[in-house]
Amino acid sequence: EVVLTQSPGTLSLSPGERAALACRASQSVDSLYLAWYQQKPGQAPRLLISGASGRATGIPDRFSDSGSGTDFTLTISRLEPEDFAVYYCQHYGSSFWTFGQGTKVEIK
Amino acid sequence: DVQLVQTGAEVRKPGESLKISCKTSGYRFSTNWVAWVRQMPGKGLEWMGMIFPGDSDTSYSPAFQGQVTISADTSTNTAYIQWTRLKASDTAIYYCARLSESPKSDFENWGQGTLVTVSS
Repeated sequence: EVVLTQSPGTLSLSPGERAALACRASQSVDSLYLAWYQQKPGQAPRLLISGASGRATGIPDRFSDSGSGTDFTLTISRLEPEDFAVYYCQHYGSSFWTFGQGTKVEIK
Repeated sequence: DVQLVQTGAEVRKPGESLKISCKTSGYRFSTNWVAWVRQMPGKGLEWMGMIFPGDSDTSYSPAFQGQVTISADTSTNTAYIQWTRLKASDTAIYYCARLSESPKSDFENWGQGTLVTVSS
């Protein structure tokens, strides 16, 4: 089972700033099977970026992902007020799905 | 539009049983895996298990194997998860989610969540 560790736990930034959220896997994984989700308070998570198919429908291009092997990053180029939320990375492999523990992006 | 609509909030006592539902629309139910994900209060997301409605094939996380049963009804495009004996530690929000077709790696669409409270 792959363990995903996200950092930092909380990121305090101002609107307009750039956010870089890290996701480290306990072993090398295929980026094709690494995805990112956003969850706002009281709402279900929603798929942001799929390793296999890129940004999900309706996701603005200020969201991007990068990385390979064990280290992956979700970047939000310029934070909008609606981007303050919790973000999770997720991996699929060997018929098992795992999530990172999440990074909260809060308004500074 | 793909939609997954879940049962409303439920309150049960420890030891009681429960079955919650996830009614889907807007896609071909029988050919997409549907998963269940737990979120305990203030915590992260945990994959519990999933079902392929077309042949009722299931796959469970070892952490939840034997604790829950996942099923589906193709006549109503509805997936279910059930408990036979709830514990206080089952208190959580439970989400159903449709997996991407190929690869079946991502949780593409989500239900709104069902809050289950288990308390005496």
